Amino acid sequence: AQSVTQPDIHITVSEGASLELRCNYSYGATPYLFWYVQSPGQGLQLLLKYFSGDTLVQGIKGFEAEFKRSQSSFNLRKPSVHWSDAAEYFCAGITDSWGKLQFGAGTQVVVTP
Amino acid sequence: NAGVTQTPKFQVLKTGQSMTLQCAQDMNHEYMSWYRQDPGMGLRLIHYSVGAGITDQGEVPNGYNVSRSTTEDFPLRLLSAAPSQTSVYFCASSLATGSVYEQYFGPGTRLTVT
Repeated sequence: AQSVTQPDIHITVSEGASLELRCNYSYGATPYLFWYVQSPGQGLQLLLKYFSGDTLVQGIKGFEAEFKRSQSSFNLRKPSVHWSDAAEYFCAGITDSWGKLQFGAGTQVVVTP
Repeated sequence: NAGVTQTPKFQVLKTGQSMTLQCAQDMNHEYMSWYRQDPGMGLRLIHYSVGAGITDQGEVPNGYNVSRSTTEDFPLRLLSAAPSQTSVYFCASSLATGSVYEQYFGPGTRLTVT
């Protein structure tokens, strides 16, 4: 079955430290991949997207993600986290043209002083 | 543009009651969808629409109805609410980018069924 998996349910990181969130996909064809962020009590905001081409994708708020076909991964990174980065992060994928997103279960990020 | 708006923000229902969650977008997006968010499960697609008059089921459609009479509106109806429908509901709309849709999400409706 086609799916997106986020292995880490919860990550704690110190402010100023680097952050990497893992996302693995299982699709027959190369999927279109997205990272969304959800702040407490808010809707989802698109951080970045991968459609094709360069495997390193830059997004908003200083985030980037790298698509690795050999590892079926699309990990999200940020070199130095800020307290405002505390949120839940979702990886999602699409393989059909109708845009039916499949979401991972999410990773909750806690930022400590 | 207001983007994607949802009403109400919060709702408490008793088992067996019916209600409609409203969703509207002012971006002239053809594609609209409804998701529910439950802890540890991410977001799951309930129903979606690729244009006025066209709807289809997603991953978890049971207990929900939708219709799309206009491009702007995509209401979600619960005909007989059940405690299992306690969740946060998100509406999204999409602008086509080539053949792929980037989805814009509303702020959500938190529904509790007692």
